[in-house]
Amino acid sequence: EPEVTQTPSHQVTQMGQEVILRCVPISNHLYFYWYRQILGQKVEFLVSFYNNEISEKSEIFDDQFSVERPDGSNFTLKIRSTKLEDSAMYFCASRGGYQVSDTQYFGPGTRLTVL
Amino acid sequence: AQKVTQAQTEISVVEKEDVTLDCVYETRDTTYYLFWYKQPPSGELVFLIRRNSFDEQNEISGRYSWNFQKSTSSFNFTITASQVVDSAVYFCAAYGGSQGNLIFGKGTKLSVKP
Repeated sequence: EPEVTQTPSHQVTQMGQEVILRCVPISNHLYFYWYRQILGQKVEFLVSFYNNEISEKSEIFDDQFSVERPDGSNFTLKIRSTKLEDSAMYFCASRGGYQVSDTQYFGPGTRLTVL
Repeated sequence: AQKVTQAQTEISVVEKEDVTLDCVYETRDTTYYLFWYKQPPSGELVFLIRRNSFDEQNEISGRYSWNFQKSTSSFNFTITASQVVDSAVYFCAAYGGSQGNLIFGKGTKLSVKP
């Protein structure tokens, strides 16, 4: 069964460093998302991406964040200068259909720890 | 603005008990979709079910069942004869934007003890 994959599973970085979180969405999917979950809290939307551009973003997704689909398979989230409060689990999701109501499938997450 | 409310923060049951997790969705939209996801201790988010606002039929999948009532905007999830493997955080979610981004509730942590 096709699934969303994410690497690494755990990333530890020093405050101020840049990190890139990687995702491989399900191969025939067209819409991609990043979400964040601070430990013990709810899952929060960061950004959606379609047709090689951002289609929607939340207030959390400020100038230190960027997304890219550098090739036909990867979808990346870059945090330019990490802060302590960026420590969280980051989930990538994808959906295949054109209907916004189609199901999003999530990857296993990357746990980011900023020291 | 849309809001997903899961009033139960934590529930603890003994194996084989039935348990119901509550979810209420506040919106002015007449058409919407609701979801349940399971987050086991390993951390991933597992899709369980999607339901649209026009379909008020209950749905059953094995030990899982869902009851949607549009009049109260509630989408409750029942686990029958719970098992230890059901221990997880369960999130209710709904679409919050034009591009399909999901709004999640705060989750209900279910602990099933042997």
